[in-house]
Amino acid sequence: GAVVSQHPSRVICKSGTSVKIECRSLDFQATTMFWYRQFPKQSLMLMATSNEGSKATYEQGVEKDKFLINHASLTLSTLTVTSAHPEDSSFYICSASDPFETQYFGPGTRLLVL
Amino acid sequence: GQQVMQIPQYQHVQEGEDFTTYCNSSTTLSNIQWYKQRPGGHPVFLIQLVKSGEVKKQKRLTFQFGEAKKNSSLHITATQTTDVGTYFCAGDRGSTLGRLYFGRGTQLTVWP
Repeated sequence: GAVVSQHPSRVICKSGTSVKIECRSLDFQATTMFWYRQFPKQSLMLMATSNEGSKATYEQGVEKDKFLINHASLTLSTLTVTSAHPEDSSFYICSASDPFETQYFGPGTRLLVL
Repeated sequence: GQQVMQIPQYQHVQEGEDFTTYCNSSTTLSNIQWYKQRPGGHPVFLIQLVKSGEVKKQKRLTFQFGEAKKNSSLHITATQTTDVGTYFCAGDRGSTLGRLYFGRGTQLTVWP
């Protein structure tokens, strides 16, 4: 299957700082990438759909100024958690959609905000 | 509200027993995908079903897509301890560029 990388895998930061997470599709071009958040023992919650060359589409209740998404190329999307607070601590996972609309997930980023 | 319902939420079986998880969508799907997430890991793509009534097999795993393309099931025959994890179904309604609606997952525990 397709390979999606995500970096960093784990980050600890102080409250008030911003954290950038990168998602890359390594062996295919992804016009669409998705950002999810997952709480322990729960399902994946879609935060936003990232489209190359255009603005991201955010799900209801997700603050676009809080979670900045940039899809700069067909293989790279970034999520920046701005002014992070402890309640932003979570597991963030990206996925990239191949031409058959199968989603391949990155390994995820565990964010801990102190 | 929940777009895709998945049951059961938890399942504990003895090694060698069978296991089934079910998904039901409130709307017709263009396709349904199944993922497995091991504890501490990320979802890994298992299979995609597209056709009405489709049945696909992967060794001990059997996936079905209902005739109305609203429900699906995953059946594991003779579970092994390596089957432990959470199984998610995800429905594609064919509307927004591959947006998936995830079920809440079934967490499978296999006792040796």
